[in-house]
Amino acid sequence: AQSVTQLGSHVSVSEGALVLLRCNYSSSVPPYLFWYVQYPNQGLQLLLKYTTGATLVKGINGFEAEFKKSETSFHLTKPSAHMSDAAEYFCAVSESEGGRRALTFGSGTRLQVQP
Amino acid sequence: NAGVMQNPRHLVRRRGQEARLRCSPMKGHSHVYWYRQLPEEGLKFMVYLQKENIIDESGMPKERFSAEFPKEGPSILRIQQVVRGDSAAYFCASSPPIRTAHEQYFGPGTRLTVT
Repeated sequence: AQSVTQLGSHVSVSEGALVLLRCNYSSSVPPYLFWYVQYPNQGLQLLLKYTTGATLVKGINGFEAEFKKSETSFHLTKPSAHMSDAAEYFCAVSESEGGRRALTFGSGTRLQVQP
Repeated sequence: NAGVMQNPRHLVRRRGQEARLRCSPMKGHSHVYWYRQLPEEGLKFMVYLQKENIIDESGMPKERFSAEFPKEGPSILRIQQVVRGDSAAYFCASSPPIRTAHEQYFGPGTRLTVT
């Protein structure tokens, strides 16, 4: 069984400040990990993914995440927040083995960016 | 290259009516997934289909819900005798047939309101 915990349902930062959104996962097999962003009344857009290889993953819009197996974490960061980053962010996990492709999502973190 | 298409975008049904939600995957994608998002919650997996086959329906309610992905045409999520608790956003996602491609591309969703 898999699960995802996103610490902090709401995060507020100032424009230009560091963005840090936390994600911890639980998985009985090596995980594939994803971050998605959702703007109001829209679908989810893939920001970045980790499957194998380099543990620091770069995505779109200047976001990156680091897979830390020892901490079972996959935190999302961006050095400098922009007003357009205000949205809801979801961390998700799927199984790399066994063929089960369903994504298990965290409950989401709403990011506010203050001018 | 069109993305995942869902229609209708908004659907209003009275209690007891049937709701039919349609999803056309991205071109070249043969895997379709349905997720449900309740207000202020993350997405919950419902069902995973390939052409003419249900692969994983572990998240599907046992009664009133069914899904299909015929050889020709879109995938359909059908909810019979809707109740107020079915009000949610329903998202479809698709992925390519490559075994190692686990990322899923989401449509804009259908927002179902049951009155």
